[in-house]
Amino acid sequence: QKEVEQDPGPLSVPEGAIVSLNCTYSNSAFQYFMWYRQYSRKGPELLMYTYSSGNKEDGRFTAQVDKSSKYISLFIRDSQPSDSATYLCATRSNDYKLSFGAGTTVTVRA
Amino acid sequence: DGGITQSPKYLFRKEGQNVTLSCEQNLNHDAMYWYRQDPGQGLRLIYYSQIVNDFQKGDIAEGYSVSREKKESFPLTVTSAQKNPTAFYLCASRMTGTNQPQHFGDGTRLSIL
Repeated sequence: QKEVEQDPGPLSVPEGAIVSLNCTYSNSAFQYFMWYRQYSRKGPELLMYTYSSGNKEDGRFTAQVDKSSKYISLFIRDSQPSDSATYLCATRSNDYKLSFGAGTTVTVRA
Repeated sequence: DGGITQSPKYLFRKEGQNVTLSCEQNLNHDAMYWYRQDPGQGLRLIYYSQIVNDFQKGDIAEGYSVSREKKESFPLTVTSAQKNPTAFYLCASRMTGTNQPQHFGDGTRLSIL
């Protein structure tokens, strides 16, 4: 079993829709949770970073963590064509080594 | 601008050849990492280094080697022992002693001729 499982997608949504991305993890030692966005032929860029259960908002992006269920989500409101990318969830424990999901490719249609 | 620079952007390897991928950062980060990304598999850790002149194997180190002679540089050599080297290679760095996350370069795509 992989340490982090991510809904594989791909997802295709119309502009303005809400995008919902999900991951589950197996190791209860994971304390920190990240979402990265990766455009084609580019490196991942950090979108959201949290270490507690609950919601964290940043503009149109909301990261949600439920440690009791070992479930993490990313919501994108009012999606734009520029949000079309691959989204990677990542977790880590205190050893600073990251475990990544396989990524979900999102296409926002104009 | 501060950041992580990977070069070259594209690299081709002949059978039996070793190739070296460059990673340089000017963020004054202590720790540096190399990942391999294959389609549909996410990122897998090859090697990491938390301090100059020290590095540890990640999950898929076989067929790869690294050095860390300078804080800002962490080159990765893909040796001929790596039988399936075609992939997208990503370098990352972070500041140790903090909870700051890793930041990534823009990658090198390695292909076999």
